[in-house]
Amino acid sequence: EVQLVQSGGGLAQPGGSLRLSCAASGFAFNNFVMGWVRQAPGKGLEWVSATSGSGGSTFNADSVKGRFTISRDNSKDTLYLQIDNLRAEDTAVYYCARVPPAYCGGASCYLYFDLWGQGTLVTVSS
Amino acid sequence: DIQMTQSPSTLSASVGDRVTIACRATQSISYWLAWYQQKPGKAPKLLIYKASSLESGVPSRFSGSGSGTEFTLTISSLQPDDAATYYCQQYNSYWGLAFGGGTKVEIK
Repeated sequence: EVQLVQSGGGLAQPGGSLRLSCAASGFAFNNFVMGWVRQAPGKGLEWVSATSGSGGSTFNADSVKGRFTISRDNSKDTLYLQIDNLRAEDTAVYYCARVPPAYCGGASCYLYFDLWGQGTLVTVSS
Repeated sequence: DIQMTQSPSTLSASVGDRVTIACRATQSISYWLAWYQQKPGKAPKLLIYKASSLESGVPSRFSGSGSGTEFTLTISSLQPDDAATYYCQQYNSYWGLAFGGGTKVEIK
């Protein structure tokens, strides 16, 4: 079955760190750009980060640069999101998602999401 | 960065109605636009990509149109299962991927 299964998350203190995981199955993980999207309670969707199939290229939202690090282990078919220096405003459900075969041209890559994980809640509170 | 604005934020319609949701970009994104459906407590589901291409398995009552800065998602005959929040997304990474604020569709 083609799926993304997320783990990690939970309650963390301001200034702390968390690592989210997303295990892929049923498709050739290393062939796909992967990303993270978050949703604060009662709010809309916000793209966070994305990484190329090899992990050699990454794209990050300006709002998380310097604190969020996306990575992947293609030997384990797993995507990660490391969140450092947690803030209250990072409280959200975090989704991992797959990009269908990505097209890049010039300075742009065209990234939308066709397969999503179930989501994992991160709560930042003292 | 490009901002995406959806309207209305909420709409209420009856089963069988034709429903239209608008999405506007602050500058031209050509046809690099996707639409998603999200039900409470669930992950988003891709409906439309490249402004008007229907994702496999999505009912044909869903359609998308537009280019440049103005886009529309249409549900030709609203069904009870369509009660959800709908999001547009511009997906040219040069401008930073961006979602609209969402449109909640309720069934009367």
